[in-house]
Amino acid sequence: EIVMTQSPATLSVSPGERATLSCRASQSVSSNLAWYQQKPGQAPRLLIYGASTRATGIPARFSASGSGTEFTLTISSLQSEDFAVYYCQQYNNWLYTFGQGTKLEIK
Amino acid sequence: QVQLVQSGAEVKKPGASVKVSCKASGYTFSSYGISWVRQAPGQGLEWMGWISAYNGNTNYAQKLQGRVTMTTDPPTSTAYMELRSLRSDDTAVYYCARGRPTIASPFDYWGQGTLVTVSS
Repeated sequence: EIVMTQSPATLSVSPGERATLSCRASQSVSSNLAWYQQKPGQAPRLLIYGASTRATGIPARFSASGSGTEFTLTISSLQSEDFAVYYCQQYNNWLYTFGQGTKLEIK
Repeated sequence: QVQLVQSGAEVKKPGASVKVSCKASGYTFSSYGISWVRQAPGQGLEWMGWISAYNGNTNYAQKLQGRVTMTTDPPTSTAYMELRSLRSDDTAVYYCARGRPTIASPFDYWGQGTLVTVSS
Protein backbone atom coordinates (compact mmCIF):
# COMPACT_ATOMS: atom_id res chain seq x y z
CA GLU A 1 0.00 0.00 0.00
CA ILE A 2 1.24 3.49 -0.86
CA VAL A 3 1.28 5.69 2.22
CA MET A 4 0.50 9.38 1.71
CA THR A 5 1.84 11.78 4.32
CA GLN A 6 0.63 15.37 4.50
CA SER A 7 2.26 18.25 6.30
CA PRO A 8 1.63 20.18 8.33
CA ALA A 9 -1.35 18.67 10.14
CA THR A 10 -2.65 22.18 10.85
CA LEU A 11 -1.74 25.41 9.09
CA SER A 12 -2.76 28.81 10.47
CA VAL A 13 -2.79 31.57 7.86
CA SER A 14 -4.37 35.02 7.66
CA PRO A 15 -6.90 35.86 4.94
CA GLY A 16 -5.17 37.28 1.88
CA GLU A 17 -1.95 35.44 2.56
CA ARG A 18 -0.51 32.43 0.75
CA ALA A 19 -0.84 28.87 2.02
CA THR A 20 1.40 26.00 0.97
CA LEU A 21 0.44 22.41 1.76
CA SER A 22 2.65 19.38 1.19
CA CYS A 23 2.00 15.74 0.38
CA ARG A 24 4.56 12.96 0.16
CA ALA A 25 4.09 9.46 -1.23
CA SER A 26 5.96 6.44 0.11
CA GLN A 27 6.74 5.44 -3.48
CA SER A 28 6.37 7.10 -6.85
CA VAL A 29 2.81 7.77 -8.00
CA SER A 30 3.94 9.59 -11.15
CA SER A 31 1.44 12.43 -11.65
CA ASN A 32 -1.52 10.38 -10.45
CA LEU A 33 -2.24 12.70 -7.55
CA ALA A 34 -5.41 14.58 -6.64
CA TRP A 35 -6.26 17.20 -4.03
CA TYR A 36 -9.65 17.53 -2.35
CA GLN A 37 -11.18 20.20 -0.14
CA GLN A 38 -13.63 19.25 2.59
CA LYS A 39 -15.68 21.63 4.70
CA PRO A 40 -17.49 20.56 7.88
CA GLY A 41 -20.59 18.50 7.17
CA GLN A 42 -19.88 18.35 3.44
CA ALA A 43 -18.53 15.78 1.03
CA PRO A 44 -15.02 16.31 -0.33
CA ARG A 45 -14.69 18.36 -3.50
CA LEU A 46 -12.12 17.65 -6.21
CA LEU A 47 -9.74 20.58 -6.63
CA ILE A 48 -6.76 19.23 -8.57
CA TYR A 49 -6.05 16.10 -10.58
CA GLY A 50 -3.03 14.94 -12.56
CA ALA A 51 -0.94 16.67 -9.86
CA SER A 52 -1.45 20.11 -11.36
CA THR A 53 -4.70 20.42 -13.35
CA ARG A 54 -7.53 22.36 -11.76
CA ALA A 55 -10.90 20.65 -11.82
CA THR A 56 -13.87 22.35 -13.42
CA GLY A 57 -14.87 25.55 -11.65
CA ILE A 58 -11.87 25.73 -9.33
CA PRO A 59 -10.51 29.28 -8.98
CA ALA A 60 -7.09 30.15 -10.35
CA ARG A 61 -5.80 30.98 -6.86
CA PHE A 62 -5.47 27.21 -6.38
CA SER A 63 -2.36 25.77 -7.97
CA ALA A 64 -0.43 22.58 -7.51
CA SER A 65 2.77 20.96 -8.59
CA GLY A 66 4.95 17.92 -8.16
CA SER A 67 5.49 14.43 -9.50
CA GLY A 68 6.86 11.16 -8.23
CA THR A 69 6.77 11.41 -4.47
CA GLU A 70 6.63 15.12 -3.61
CA PHE A 71 3.60 17.32 -4.19
CA THR A 72 2.48 20.81 -3.22
CA LEU A 73 -0.85 22.63 -3.17
CA THR A 74 -0.68 26.42 -3.04
CA ILE A 75 -3.53 28.83 -2.40
CA SER A 76 -2.25 32.21 -3.47
CA SER A 77 -4.53 34.62 -1.59
CA LEU A 78 -6.72 32.96 0.99
CA GLN A 79 -10.40 33.75 0.97
CA SER A 80 -12.72 33.04 3.89
CA GLU A 81 -14.27 30.11 2.04
CA ASP A 82 -10.87 28.39 1.66
CA PHE A 83 -10.53 27.51 5.32
CA ALA A 84 -11.17 23.79 5.33
CA VAL A 85 -9.42 20.43 5.44
CA TYR A 86 -7.39 19.41 2.39
CA TYR A 87 -6.59 15.83 1.41
CA CYS A 88 -4.23 14.45 -1.18
CA GLN A 89 -5.01 11.13 -2.85
CA GLN A 90 -2.95 8.88 -5.06
CA TYR A 91 -4.60 6.95 -7.87
CA ASN A 92 -1.51 5.38 -9.37
CA ASN A 93 -2.95 1.95 -8.76
CA TRP A 94 -6.30 0.58 -7.78
CA LEU A 95 -5.46 0.63 -4.09
CA TYR A 96 -6.33 4.28 -3.68
CA THR A 97 -4.97 5.96 -0.58
CA PHE A 98 -5.51 9.37 0.99
CA GLY A 99 -3.28 11.49 3.13
CA GLN A 100 -4.43 12.17 6.68
CA GLY A 101 -5.38 15.75 5.80
CA THR A 102 -4.18 19.28 6.51
CA LYS A 103 -6.54 21.57 8.37
CA LEU A 104 -6.22 25.13 7.11
CA GLU A 105 -7.42 27.49 9.80
CA ILE A 106 -7.74 31.23 10.16
CA LYS A 107 -4.87 32.88 11.98
CA GLN B 1 -26.18 18.11 -13.80
CA VAL B 2 -24.37 15.14 -12.31
CA GLN B 3 -25.82 14.03 -8.98
CA LEU B 4 -25.19 11.12 -6.66
CA VAL B 5 -27.96 10.78 -4.08
CA GLN B 6 -27.42 8.37 -1.23
CA SER B 7 -29.85 6.60 1.07
CA GLY B 8 -30.55 7.81 4.57
CA ALA B 9 -28.84 7.30 7.89
CA GLU B 10 -28.77 3.85 9.47
CA VAL B 11 -28.38 2.55 13.00
CA LYS B 12 -27.23 -1.04 13.30
CA LYS B 13 -26.23 -3.42 16.04
CA PRO B 14 -22.82 -5.09 16.10
CA GLY B 15 -22.77 -8.14 13.88
CA ALA B 16 -25.52 -6.87 11.58
CA SER B 17 -25.23 -5.81 7.95
CA VAL B 18 -25.94 -2.51 6.23
CA LYS B 19 -26.63 -1.76 2.58
CA VAL B 20 -26.20 1.81 1.35
CA SER B 21 -27.46 2.96 -2.04
CA CYS B 22 -26.18 5.65 -4.38
CA LYS B 23 -28.49 6.76 -7.20
CA ALA B 24 -26.77 8.49 -10.10
CA SER B 25 -28.31 10.99 -12.50
CA GLY B 26 -27.16 13.50 -15.08
CA TYR B 27 -24.73 11.20 -16.87
CA THR B 28 -24.52 7.78 -18.52
CA PHE B 29 -24.18 5.46 -15.55
CA SER B 30 -22.46 2.64 -17.42
CA SER B 31 -19.70 4.96 -18.65
CA TYR B 32 -18.20 5.40 -15.19
CA GLY B 33 -17.27 3.59 -12.02
CA ILE B 34 -18.25 4.20 -8.42
CA SER B 35 -15.91 4.16 -5.46
CA TRP B 36 -16.97 4.05 -1.83
CA VAL B 37 -15.10 6.10 0.75
CA ARG B 38 -15.79 6.28 4.47
CA GLN B 39 -14.93 8.77 7.16
CA ALA B 40 -15.07 7.90 10.85
CA PRO B 41 -16.03 10.73 13.21
CA GLY B 42 -13.27 13.35 13.27
CA GLN B 43 -11.03 11.22 11.07
CA GLY B 44 -9.73 11.24 7.51
CA LEU B 45 -10.91 9.56 4.34
CA GLU B 46 -10.61 5.81 3.81
CA TRP B 47 -11.14 4.24 0.40
CA MET B 48 -13.21 1.07 0.65
CA GLY B 49 -13.46 -0.18 -2.88
CA TRP B 50 -14.63 0.41 -6.43
CA ILE B 51 -17.04 -1.06 -8.92
CA SER B 52 -17.16 -0.44 -12.64
CA ALA B 53 -20.68 0.27 -13.84
CA TYR B 54 -19.32 -0.57 -17.28
CA ASN B 55 -18.38 -4.20 -16.72
CA GLY B 56 -19.11 -4.95 -13.06
CA ASN B 57 -15.47 -5.42 -12.11
CA THR B 58 -14.70 -4.72 -8.48
CA ASN B 59 -11.65 -3.99 -6.36
CA TYR B 60 -11.84 -3.89 -2.56
CA ALA B 61 -9.51 -2.56 0.10
CA GLN B 62 -7.66 -5.47 1.64
CA LYS B 63 -8.81 -4.72 5.19
CA LEU B 64 -12.46 -5.07 4.12
CA GLN B 65 -12.09 -8.14 1.90
CA GLY B 66 -14.71 -10.68 2.83
CA ARG B 67 -16.98 -8.17 4.59
CA VAL B 68 -17.87 -5.78 1.77
CA THR B 69 -19.74 -6.29 -1.48
CA MET B 70 -20.35 -3.63 -4.11
CA THR B 71 -22.96 -4.02 -6.80
CA THR B 72 -24.78 -1.95 -9.38
CA ASP B 73 -28.28 -1.97 -10.87
CA PRO B 74 -27.88 -0.41 -14.32
CA PRO B 75 -31.61 -0.03 -15.10
CA THR B 76 -32.00 2.28 -12.09
CA SER B 77 -28.48 3.80 -12.29
CA THR B 78 -27.90 2.81 -8.68
CA ALA B 79 -24.81 1.50 -6.92
CA TYR B 80 -24.91 -0.38 -3.65
CA MET B 81 -22.41 -1.06 -0.90
CA GLU B 82 -23.11 -3.80 1.62
CA LEU B 83 -20.95 -4.16 4.72
CA ARG B 84 -21.42 -7.23 6.93
CA SER B 85 -20.41 -8.23 10.45
CA LEU B 86 -20.53 -4.63 11.56
CA ARG B 87 -18.33 -3.47 14.44
CA SER B 88 -18.32 -0.24 16.40
CA ASP B 89 -15.34 1.01 14.42
CA ASP B 90 -17.44 0.83 11.24
CA THR B 91 -19.35 3.85 12.53
CA ALA B 92 -18.70 6.46 9.87
CA VAL B 93 -20.12 8.58 7.10
CA TYR B 94 -20.07 6.55 3.91
CA TYR B 95 -19.69 8.33 0.58
CA CYS B 96 -20.04 7.16 -2.99
CA ALA B 97 -17.95 8.95 -5.59
CA ARG B 98 -17.69 8.79 -9.37
CA GLY B 99 -14.57 7.75 -11.23
CA ARG B 100 -13.49 6.30 -14.53
CA PRO B 101 -14.86 2.89 -15.52
CA THR B 102 -11.70 0.96 -16.34
CA ILE B 103 -8.71 2.84 -14.99
CA ALA B 104 -7.85 4.32 -11.64
CA SER B 105 -8.87 7.97 -11.55
CA PRO B 106 -9.75 10.84 -9.22
CA PHE B 107 -13.30 11.22 -7.94
CA ASP B 108 -15.04 14.13 -9.62
CA TYR B 109 -18.50 13.90 -8.05
CA TRP B 110 -19.50 12.72 -4.60
CA GLY B 111 -22.71 11.75 -2.89
CA GLN B 112 -23.91 13.65 0.16
CA GLY B 113 -22.85 10.89 2.53
CA THR B 114 -24.73 8.37 4.66
CA LEU B 115 -24.12 8.12 8.39
CA VAL B 116 -23.96 4.55 9.62
CA THR B 117 -23.91 4.16 13.38
CA VAL B 118 -23.04 0.80 14.90
CA SER B 119 -24.10 0.57 18.49
CA SER B 120 -25.57 -1.98 20.85
